[in-house]
Amino acid sequence: DVKVTQSSRYLVKRTGEKVFLECVQDMDHENMFWYRQDPGLGLRLIYFSYDVKMKEKGDIPEGYSVSREKKERFSLILESASTNQTSMYLCASSTQGAGWPRGTYEQYFGPGTRLTVT
Amino acid sequence: AQKITQTQPGMFVQEKEAVTLDCTYDTSDPSYGLFWYKQPSSGEMIFLIYQGSYDQQNATEGRYSLNFQKARKSANLVISASQLGDSAMYFCAMRLAGNNRKLIWGLGTSLAVNP
Repeated sequence: DVKVTQSSRYLVKRTGEKVFLECVQDMDHENMFWYRQDPGLGLRLIYFSYDVKMKEKGDIPEGYSVSREKKERFSLILESASTNQTSMYLCASSTQGAGWPRGTYEQYFGPGTRLTVT
Repeated sequence: AQKITQTQPGMFVQEKEAVTLDCTYDTSDPSYGLFWYKQPSSGEMIFLIYQGSYDQQNATEGRYSLNFQKARKSANLVISASQLGDSAMYFCAMRLAGNNRKLIWGLGTSLAVNP
């Protein structure tokens, strides 16, 4: 079974703190993703990575950075947390899939981290 | 613009009945794939079913089926024999050949199954 784990289910941090959210996958997937989810706004992509040390900005990268030093681990960093970064953060991974679109190659998600910044 | 639209913010269904959740997509790319995910109140996103643009037959996966109408650009999820555990948010998403690592997401439909 594919497993994507996130370091915390719930996290409370203070404004201005540096926050690290960790994500680990055990399926040797090339792609890893960080999303935030807010009510009424669906899933918004923050950053994704398609290889070690490679990253691309998603739709809302401002205020965030990422790190991928090893293939299985993708970290999201809030350099200076602000209250508007209070949200649910979801990590996902997928394989690229040479045969796509004939073949699913779905994204597998972690359980999510609910971050509150006070 | 490449986009996924889910027009039903909330739906109710009686237990054991079938329900259809709507999803329309917009792309001019001939190569694409459509996904449905379920998100229970616990928060984890669960993959349900996939339809590739070249697939001739509608995808089915247990009680889930995808009503794929290419000309209408719709990919509706049909859940047969609803169960209480089907109460959740349901998201439709699209993957395109042009940037085929990412997904374009709809805003979701909240489904409540009544006993």
